[in-house]
Amino acid sequence: QVQLQESGPGLVKPSQTLSLTCTVSSGSISGGAYYWNWIRQNPGKGLEWIGYIYYSGSTYYNPSLETRVAISIDTSKNQFSLRLSSVTAADTAVYYCARGPTRYYYDSWGQGTLVTVSS
Amino acid sequence: EIVLTQSPATLSLSPGERATLSCGASQTVSSSYLAWYQQKPGLAPRLLVYGASSRATGIPDRFSGSGSGTDFTLTISRLEPEDFAVYYCQQYAGSPWTFGQGSKVEIK
Repeated sequence: QVQLQESGPGLVKPSQTLSLTCTVSSGSISGGAYYWNWIRQNPGKGLEWIGYIYYSGSTYYNPSLETRVAISIDTSKNQFSLRLSSVTAADTAVYYCARGPTRYYYDSWGQGTLVTVSS
Repeated sequence: EIVLTQSPATLSLSPGERATLSCGASQTVSSSYLAWYQQKPGLAPRLLVYGASSRATGIPDRFSGSGSGTDFTLTISRLEPEDFAVYYCQQYAGSPWTFGQGSKVEIK
């Protein structure tokens, strides 16, 4: 059964760039037609889909975030990553990585990592 | 953006009872592109249903999804102790994919 694990700083200063990595284990990130997603959850806005990267490298982002978001994939390390620039307190949330068997929904999730934006 | 409104916000029931959760969409969710997730405190959401009515792998048959258009329902036929949690609907008919605000099923 595939497992996903987020990693990265838990504290980011305002205006800086948030960077997180998701490591996929018990399965190849390029071994199937899966979509690799980032989703966040905060008390104010609930669950919010950020974007996905396909195993081929193509990406699609939430239009509300697309000017600040970049998702990349490193098949040699079985990882994919999120970069969110110019962060504010509104970006404080638990960030999840998740696998989608299609581009639309998510059947495996990481445990989540809390990122706080504060000076 | 399609807005999903879930009701009730909180449902207080006893084990063995039937739970009916609603998810209303601000626009038609075409092709029943709707999923349901369960989330317990401190854990990630778990996929229960996709395509409005198809159960995900390993999900017990006491969970069932139904509906079309703008009105969808998740039914838990007989609540087990492990079913007390928060439930979210998610639409993927229109970008961006969006989630409802959640319905909490708590022990009465």
